Amino acid sequence: GENVEQHPSTLSVQEGDSAVIKCTYSDSASNYFPWYKQELGKRPQLIIDIRSNVGEKKDQRIAVTLNKTAKHFSLHITETQPEDSAVYFCAASKPNTGNQFYFGTGTSLTVIP
Amino acid sequence: EAGVTQSPTHLIKTRGQQATLRCSPISGHTSVYWYQQALGLGLQFLLWYDEGEERNRGNFPPRFSGRQFPNYSSELNVNALELEDSALYLCASSLTHRGLGGYTFGSGTRLTVV
Repeated sequence: GENVEQHPSTLSVQEGDSAVIKCTYSDSASNYFPWYKQELGKRPQLIIDIRSNVGEKKDQRIAVTLNKTAKHFSLHITETQPEDSAVYFCAASKPNTGNQFYFGTGTSLTVIP
Repeated sequence: EAGVTQSPTHLIKTRGQQATLRCSPISGHTSVYWYQQALGLGLQFLLWYDEGEERNRGNFPPRFSGRQFPNYSSELNVNALELEDSALYLCASSLTHRGLGGYTFGSGTRLTVV
């Protein structure tokens, strides 16, 4: 199967600082890596994703990087704001598994105003 | 467009009972996925249905089962409930399982087993 590890489990940053969350995966066949944000009491929502043929993708204040050789990918949030406070999950999926995701255990991000 | 809807939002059951959770996918989506989100354990894959068939299941015992109806809605059944089954059960739908893409989650059913 696939094993996705995520760290840190909790992260506190001052408003305006950057936050970085890292994930590693075990199966080199994995080729799609989405990131989900889950605010308290709400559903997980897709915020950014990256495919294995790309090394980096950016969307305004968030970016994701992928190192296929090392089998790790990271979420970067710049100029953090209090509304970025949430639990973030990374995930990986492999071809021919029906878009099934293997999730990390989540990072609880707190942005301190 | 309506999102993925799940019912009920909350469910309280006694140990040993059965629970039935329901999910309606986004219109046109044929694939439905079920995940269990237990406290501190992230999201664990439970079941995947597509075109009415169970296509894959995660590492859960057989008392976790379900089905997908002709209209692509889905039902998750948990038999012989145990205390550790208490969790948020999330359903997601996808237009197709053949391509890559993030899917949309429903708001979940919070199952509490007492």
